Amino acid sequence: GAGVSQTPSNKVTEKGKYVELRCDPISGHTALYWYRQSLGQGPEFLIYFQGTGAADDSGLPNDRFFAVRPEGSVSTLKIQRTERGDSAVYLCASSLMAGGGDTQYFGPGTRLTVL
Amino acid sequence: KQEVTQIPAALSVPEGENLVLNCSFTDSAIYNLQWFRQDPGKGLTSLLLIQSSQREQTSGRLNASLDKSSGRSTLYIAASQPGDSATYLCAVKRGGFKTIFGAGTRLFVKA
Repeated sequence: GAGVSQTPSNKVTEKGKYVELRCDPISGHTALYWYRQSLGQGPEFLIYFQGTGAADDSGLPNDRFFAVRPEGSVSTLKIQRTERGDSAVYLCASSLMAGGGDTQYFGPGTRLTVL
Repeated sequence: KQEVTQIPAALSVPEGENLVLNCSFTDSAIYNLQWFRQDPGKGLTSLLLIQSSQREQTSGRLNASLDKSSGRSTLYIAASQPGDSATYLCAVKRGGFKTIFGAGTRLFVKA
């Protein structure tokens, strides 16, 4: 079946602009994660959704970052007033069960470049 | 605060060699540990998931062990092949949902 998909694959924006990054999880997966990965580093946890609600948003760096999952499927990560330091690859992952105890399946990521 | 360290940072081996990648974590109260593979410019592919109650998991030429008390996991790759060249990441999860990743080991297998 289809895996996790993310759009766009690349996004170039100017400092101060607003961006939205989309994640389509595997159909039927309850849990959804967002991560951010900088060059040479492992992914950094941002937020976890269990169904429609954000069960853990402790990784969001500040209030410019916000994520939604209104129908418990597709999720959108929103970044306001982008800064050059936001440049990274943003990864989405989903897993079948709530509770976070099973395998996470990752999408290919969105490479965000803030000029 | 949970910290995950992977050693070595990079490794180059000739084809056919058996090798071990190491992962250590500072807080032994983990829920599970997962090993991933990441190819350049791509997302992560799950290799093995070890629950906290398990000691090891095997898949083909891969074997991962977990020693919670010492805060260590190893990924053993048998008979390495050039196609195994990638970055290998370990990730630990505590009772919540936050997953903490190591920085990875970059593996290059020479033909």
